[in-house]
Amino acid sequence: NAGVTQTPKFQVLKTGQSMTLQCAQDMNHEYMSWYRQDPGMGLRLIHYSVGAGITDQGEVPNGYNVSRSTTEDFPLRLLSAAPSQTSVYFCASTLTSGEAETQYFGPGTRLLVL
Amino acid sequence: AQSVTQLDSHVSVSEGTPVLLRCNYSSSYSPSLFWYVQHPNKGLQLLLKYTSAATLVKGINGFEAEFKKSETSFHLTKPSAHMSDAAEYFCVVSDGGGYKLSFGAGTTVTVRA
Repeated sequence: NAGVTQTPKFQVLKTGQSMTLQCAQDMNHEYMSWYRQDPGMGLRLIHYSVGAGITDQGEVPNGYNVSRSTTEDFPLRLLSAAPSQTSVYFCASTLTSGEAETQYFGPGTRLLVL
Repeated sequence: AQSVTQLDSHVSVSEGTPVLLRCNYSSSYSPSLFWYVQHPNKGLQLLLKYTSAATLVKGINGFEAEFKKSETSFHLTKPSAHMSDAAEYFCVVSDGGGYKLSFGAGTTVTVRA
C-alpha cells in the first residue's frame, strides 16, 4: 500500500490563481480530511468527507472547495488564491468513524501564494 | 466543542534526561486523545492514543502518556531523551469522530548533547 499520497509537494501561486491539491489513498478508507498547518497554530480542519459524494465543512473552510467522486480521491480546490492561504496542507484518511480511530496523514503540500 | 491546550511551546532537555510535554483538553464527551510527532519537513506520525481502555498509555519509541480525567490532562513523558526525539509534538483530541481532530498548537522539543 502507498498509503495517503499528495501532489504536488510544493507549489508557488500568484494571488488570484486557482489550483487543485490532489490527495489519494489506497486503503479503502471511507473518511478523508484536509488540514492546514500554520506556525504556532497546529493543524486546523478545512473540509472532510464521510464517503463518496458526501462532504462537509471543518473549522476553516472559506476559500476552499472539495468534492469526493470516488472513495480513493479527495481533491482540495483553491478558486482564487490569497496570500493568507500560504500554508502546509495535509490530507488524512481514516477507516471508520470511531473516535479512537487512527488518522493516516499524507506527506503534505507546501503552498506559497505571492 | 473540543479543544486542546499545550502548556509549553518549547521544551529543551539534555540527552538522557526525562522529557515532559504537558497537555490539557476540553471536551463535551468522553474524548479520545492522541499524541502525534512531526520531524522537520516530515509528515505526522502517531505516537500513542488513549481509547478509555487504560489510563496509562504506552506508545512508540519509549513514550507514554497518562490520562487524568479529574485534571483534564494527557501529559506525554519519556524517561530518557534521545537526539532523535528533537521534533514538534502535537496533542490532539477527538470527540466527534476520528476524522475530525482538534490539534494543540504544538510543542517543539530540542535535545542538547
